[in-house]
This record gives sequence, structure tokens and C-alpha cells, in this order.
Amino acid sequence: DAGVIQSPRHEVTEMGQEVTLRCKPISGHNSLFWYRQTMMRGLELLIYFNNNVPIDDSGMPEDRFSAKMPNASFSTLKIQPSEPRDSAVYFCASSHSSGNTIYFGEGSWLTVV
Amino acid sequence: KQEVTQIPAALSVPEGENLVLNCSFTDSAIYNLQWFRQDPGKGLTSLLLIQSSQREQTSGRLNASLDKSSGRSTLYIAASQPGDSATYLCAVNGNDMRFGAGTRLTVKP
Repeated sequence: DAGVIQSPRHEVTEMGQEVTLRCKPISGHNSLFWYRQTMMRGLELLIYFNNNVPIDDSGMPEDRFSAKMPNASFSTLKIQPSEPRDSAVYFCASSHSSGNTIYFGEGSWLTVV
Repeated sequence: KQEVTQIPAALSVPEGENLVLNCSFTDSAIYNLQWFRQDPGKGLTSLLLIQSSQREQTSGRLNASLDKSSGRSTLYIAASQPGDSATYLCAVNGNDMRFGAGTRLTVKP
């Protein structure tokens, strides 16, 4: 299996622009997680899905952030409009049900200038 | 809300030394605890997963223990090597998965 696949790997965008991050979980996994990592705050859980349904989005910082999972093999995290403080590494991860090993993608490195 | 703390924040040791990384958590109602390794500019790689009913897990030179009642886990690395240099994170899986801030390990040749 190719593992969790994220795109883009790197993105530099101007403040105010819309950013869309994409994730393909490992085939057969039914839990998907979006995390954000910064030096100041470490790894923060933004939202997670189980069987394509959002279970907990309490970590989503504000209304500018939204996430969707239209099917079992694809998820997006959207920031609109983006701000410089959104600059971070955004990780997608997946697992086969709760309680099992969680696998991370390589991350999407976002810089908002 | 689950709080996860890792001590020390950074550790530097000479090659060959055995070492212990610590992780503590505030809510003992967990499904499992997982240790990860993160290299600079990379994602997280799972090292060991300990279910809540287990006391320890071993993989090669790594041994992780779990004391759920006291809210503690340790990662023991035997005969450390320069290639072990990385940041090690523990993650506690309860209602969601919460991470510690990590321990940055440097193993000097």
C-alpha cells in the first residue's frame, strides 16, 4: 500500500486566498484525522471522521476552516480566506477503526504570506 | 480534556547509551497509547502501540511500557545509535488522539 497520500506537499499562498489540502487514506481504513503542527502548539487535532462522518470538529480553529470527506478514499481541508497565522504543517492520518495503529501522511507544508 | 506531557523536552546522549523517554497523561480512560518518531521535515512513523490492557510492547531495541492507573508510559531505547536521532512523540487514544509535545533526541557518535 502507498500509505496516506497528501497533496500538495508544499504551498505558498497570499493572505486572503483559498487553500485546499487533499488526503487519500490507506485503503480499508475507516477513520481519518486532520492535524496541524506548529512549533508553538505542537500537534493539534483539528477534526476526525469515522466512516466518512465527522465525529469531532472541536479542534477546528474557526469558521474559515472546513473539512469534508465525500467518500472513503478522499478528504479535503479548506481554509478560506487564509491568514499568515495559518502557516503550519497539516497532517492527514488514517486508521482501521479506533484503537488501532494510526498512520500519517508526509504532511502539507503551508506558508501564507 | 486529556493532557499529555513529555519529559524531557530534549535529550542528548553519547552513542551506545541506554535511555528512557517519559510520557504522562491526565485521563486514564484510554484505548491505547502509541509512540511515534518524527524526523525533520517528515511525517510521523509509528513505533509501538500498547493497548490499554497491555503492560508493555517490544520491537527490536525499543520497549514501551504502560501504567494506565498512574497515567504513565515510558519508551526505552537500548544501545542508542546516531540514527535514532529524531523527535519522539507519544499519543494517547481516548475519545480522540492527543499528542505530547515530543522529546527531541540527539545521539552523538
